[in-house]
Amino acid sequence: KAGVTQTPRYLIKTRGQQVTLSCSPISGHRSVSWYQQTPGQGLQFLFEYFSETQRNKGNFPGRFSGRQFSNSRSEMNVSTLELGDSALYLCASRGESRTGELFFGEGSRLTVL
Amino acid sequence: TQLLEQSPQFLSIQEGENLTVYCNSSSVFSSLQWYRQEPGEGPVLLVTVVTGGEVKKLKRLTFQFGDARKDSSLHITAAQPGDTGLYLCAGAIQGAQKLVFGQGTRLTINP
Repeated sequence: KAGVTQTPRYLIKTRGQQVTLSCSPISGHRSVSWYQQTPGQGLQFLFEYFSETQRNKGNFPGRFSGRQFSNSRSEMNVSTLELGDSALYLCASRGESRTGELFFGEGSRLTVL
Repeated sequence: TQLLEQSPQFLSIQEGENLTVYCNSSSVFSSLQWYRQEPGEGPVLLVTVVTGGEVKKLKRLTFQFGDARKDSSLHITAAQPGDTGLYLCAGAIQGAQKLVFGQGTRLTINP
């Protein structure tokens, strides 16, 4: 069973630009969550999508947005990039388990200059 | 406000020693998960504990869920360099629809 795939793995942007990250979940998983990971703040929840609908949302500004397609693939977008947006962005998919275990991708490392 | 507090944040010990990592909260969780993350990779699930007082063993790793389901511990016996990594605990709330992560414990095992 293929794991969670995130693209791109690494990218460099400058302040003010926007970025789109992509995530393909494990086949059959309908839930996709996005997290931001930084050394200072740890793993911070961005949002979760389930069957193309945003089910939960973290405390991030509106510059951070996402969507999910009918094949469960998800994208997240960050507009008007700031230096503080430099982080590892992790995508995780979840199956139907009642305990909600997450299966993470390897992440997209974003550097904002 | 950090819902889940992990301690210690950093731990560096010699191969062969034992260690315990703690995950504490004032909130009750329906279940609690432990993940390990290695450099350049995403977190990987180690175990899920569901019942208060539950103890699960994974080779040299022992996981315990507190009786009140507010805290958990991870004990490693005879640590090895391959145990090096970032250990994250995550508590499930809202019927496991939402996971809250601790800040992580960065563990280094020196040969």
